[in-house]
Amino acid sequence: SQQGEEDPQALSIQEGENATMNCSYKTSINNLQWYRQNSGRGLVHLILIRSNEREKHSGRLRVTLDTSKKSSSLLITASRAADTASYFCATSRGAQKLVFGQGTRLTINP
Amino acid sequence: DTAVSQTPKYLVTQMGNDKSIKCEQNLGHDTMYWYKQDSKKFLKIMFSYNNKELIINETVPNRFSPKSPDKAHLNLHINSLELGDSAVYFCASSQETGGNSPLHFGNGTRLTVT
Repeated sequence: SQQGEEDPQALSIQEGENATMNCSYKTSINNLQWYRQNSGRGLVHLILIRSNEREKHSGRLRVTLDTSKKSSSLLITASRAADTASYFCATSRGAQKLVFGQGTRLTINP
Repeated sequence: DTAVSQTPKYLVTQMGNDKSIKCEQNLGHDTMYWYKQDSKKFLKIMFSYNNKELIINETVPNRFSPKSPDKAHLNLHINSLELGDSAVYFCASSQETGGNSPLHFGNGTRLTVT
């Protein structure tokens, strides 16, 4: 299956700490995307990393991709209460659809 | 300005009824989608349209029928609603097909079938 699987399913940390979420997938991919979903809202795109890239940054976010291990990680540095949300990875292969994992629920405690 | 807007936000109805959800995007994207998110947060694609043409039709019951009157609109009509249809339905759009560009999501329609 192309579907990504996030790990852990839930993560609770103190404000100011770093949060790391992982995503594993089973088939080769074109790109991998990370999304955030706040409670009661739609998903918001964070970062897209292509299969020939190894790392991308956006503000406090850092995404790595290891195609040999078929895995990706999302690091949020210096977490804030507003980072509390569910985070999803999604993969695409060829001209096929974007397939989402079940997400990691991140809670930042003040 | 809301980029992807869908209505209604909440929909409560009884089994057997027919209902519609509307979606509009003002991003100028050619591709639009319907996703279903279940109670465990699992997000599954249902349909995708590119410039008004259906390009993805997952294993969805025939009771679900999408309609795209133009490339800025993608509506979802559901006949003979069942309890299992209760979920949050998200509309999304993207510049390219095939997951090669970011998706922009609406805020969802929470459908409750009683």
